[in-house]
Amino acid sequence: DTGVSQNPRHKITKRGQNVTFRCDPISEHNRLYWYRQTLGQGPEFLTYFQNEAQLEKSRLLSDRFSAERPKGSFSTLEIQRTEQGDSAMYLCASSPGLAATETQYFGPGTRLLVL
Amino acid sequence: KNEVEQSPQNLTAQEGEFITINCSYSVGISALHWLQQHPGGGIVSLFMLSSGKKKHGRLIATINIQEKHSSLHITASHPRDSAVYICAVNTGNQFYFGTGTSLTVIP
Repeated sequence: DTGVSQNPRHKITKRGQNVTFRCDPISEHNRLYWYRQTLGQGPEFLTYFQNEAQLEKSRLLSDRFSAERPKGSFSTLEIQRTEQGDSAMYLCASSPGLAATETQYFGPGTRLLVL
Repeated sequence: KNEVEQSPQNLTAQEGEFITINCSYSVGISALHWLQQHPGGGIVSLFMLSSGKKKHGRLIATINIQEKHSSLHITASHPRDSAVYICAVNTGNQFYFGTGTSLTVIP
């Protein structure tokens, strides 16, 4: 296992469509994080999981966004009824254990463009 | 007001120069992270600090919890250090990120 992987790497969609992104963390990493980054800005925290439990959600995560980690391994982030403002890089990261202060390992991101 | 402020926003240096990037934060934290982001988006974690100082190669990170301030230093800078450096803080359940410092090191 060489690191966190994300699929797809790029996604172009029309406004109003639904999209789903996948993140595969490093094997046996308990924590998984989702972030969003727009051009020229730092990442923004969206949500995180400890195993299969979603422990925290940012107020940025509107009801059009939903994330799951059903078996405590890979995670999916779905955006329903996409808007042009959803265009961003969606980053996933994982960390080994149960402490929030551990180093996070980032995936390459999925770049979303909503036309 | 952002919870995390970085300065400078942009920095150009000659190869070999000593570089300092600053980060101030306004929330109580359990840890502070310095991240490096290269063109194309890949992010690498450089340091995680909760106190004191850490050193890795030519990189040094310090944190002053009382002053809510951290610095990232690069000694003997090299063009391959050119990247965006991002400061992030962990409050326990939330993460806040600075907007990054874009560093360009000229040969």
